[in-house]
Amino acid sequence: GENVEQHPSTLSVQEGDSAVIKCTYSDSASNYFPWYKQELGKGPQLIIDIRSNVGEKKDQRIAVTLNKTAKHFSLHITETQPEDSAVYFCAAGKTGANSKLTFGKGITLSVRP
Amino acid sequence: NAGVTQTPKFRVLKTGQSMTLLCAQDMNHEYMYWYRQDPGMGLRLIHYSVGEGTTAKGEVPDGYNVSRLKKQNFLLGLESAAPSQTSVYFCASSYPADSSYEQYFGPGTRLTVT
Repeated sequence: GENVEQHPSTLSVQEGDSAVIKCTYSDSASNYFPWYKQELGKGPQLIIDIRSNVGEKKDQRIAVTLNKTAKHFSLHITETQPEDSAVYFCAAGKTGANSKLTFGKGITLSVRP
Repeated sequence: NAGVTQTPKFRVLKTGQSMTLLCAQDMNHEYMYWYRQDPGMGLRLIHYSVGEGTTAKGEVPDGYNVSRLKKQNFLLGLESAAPSQTSVYFCASSYPADSSYEQYFGPGTRLTVT
C-alpha cells in the first residue's frame, strides 16, 4: 500500500518568512495529493490539492509543487502570519472508484509574531 | 448546511464496554470515511464506504465495525473497547462524482478507554 512520509515534524518561522513542508510517497500509481490544515480542537480542512498531471498550483500565499520522478511534493507558504500556526497534513491517493487517502504524520507549524 | 456532524463529542468507556459513534452528513456525499488520530501517528483510515450499503476495511480495521444503512449516516462500532482504542475519531465525506476528491471532516469525537 501507499506510504507517506512528512518532514520535518515541527517547524518554527518568523512572521513574514516563508515555510516549506515536504512529503514523499511510495506508490507511483497515486495521482492526487492534497494538503490539509488542522487547527486546535477542529477537524482537518483542505487548503490546496494537486493532481499528477500538474507540476505546480498556487492559491494566494500557498502553493504546492509535485515531482513525480522523485515521488515528492511540497507545500509552500509565503508571508506567513500567526494564523498560519496549525498542524499540516499531506496525503496521497488515487482518483476514481474506491478513492481513499493515506496521510502523513503531520507537521506542527508555529509562526512567531 | 451543517456539513459533517459527529455524535458524541466526548466519551469515556471502561475496558470491555461497547459503543457506537455516529457520523452524519447533509451534502449528499457518496463516500464516507472513519479515521483515528493519535499523537505522532497522523490520520489512519479505519473503514470507509463508497455508497449506501457498502463498507470496506482501511489501514487499521481490527476491533471496529461499521454500517452504512442510510446514505447520510456512517456508524462506527466498538464491540469490546480496549485502552489502545483511546483516540480522537474523525469522520469525513466526499463526492467524487463531481471530480472533486476533497474530504470534508467532522469536528471529531474524543474517546478515552480506561
